[in-house]
Amino acid sequence: DGGITQSPKYLFRKEGQNVTLSCEQNLNHDAMYWYRQDPGQGLRLIYYSQIVNDFQKGDIAEGYSVSREKKESFPLTVTSAQKNPTAFYLCASSIEGRIYGYTFGSGTRLTVV
Amino acid sequence: QKEVEQDPGPLSVPEGAIVSLNCTYSNSAFQYFMWYRQYSRKGPELLMYTYSSGNKEDGRFTAQVDKSSKYISLFIRDSQPSDSATYLCAMTGAGGTSYGKLTFGQGTILTVHP
Repeated sequence: DGGITQSPKYLFRKEGQNVTLSCEQNLNHDAMYWYRQDPGQGLRLIYYSQIVNDFQKGDIAEGYSVSREKKESFPLTVTSAQKNPTAFYLCASSIEGRIYGYTFGSGTRLTVV
Repeated sequence: QKEVEQDPGPLSVPEGAIVSLNCTYSNSAFQYFMWYRQYSRKGPELLMYTYSSGNKEDGRFTAQVDKSSKYISLFIRDSQPSDSATYLCAMTGAGGTSYGKLTFGQGTILTVHP
């Protein structure tokens, strides 16, 4: 079945550590997105990529980094510069220009310990 | 001020009730409006979408957009316990660099009790 796979489902990070969240899709979608979800805040866009080897900052990119070396993969690194990384992270993909065609992964819950 | 405002609730209703969920927005460039449903610890799934102003109906769900008031609504008729979830409104502009980037409301937590 086609879809988006996010891993791990739960992730614990120590203070000062970088961690990488995985996002893989087999939908042949061009565009991929990372959102952060906090209670009472909705979803906020971190980074997005419309094509391989290109990505753009979203509204809250500070303390995060991404890469897009393959069409299927869009990993997100949460760096030690992110002051409050505890949140639910959602990856999504869509056919370029098809805004109704967003597909979301099941999310990764990141907790700082 | 957020571009999209949505009452986070929580909203609790008895089974069979009509539920009304609403969002207001400030960006007049928004043209596409969506409602997503998100179950606990899952990713959101698209429920309804509309373009510009007007109504759209799909089974027990009706989406309304009033661009003159910058106000959108989702109505759920004959609500069921399985409708218990967080409902997120989302919207985006018609073109340019905003196209494809969704702006979300805060989400409304809905509980339908038997």
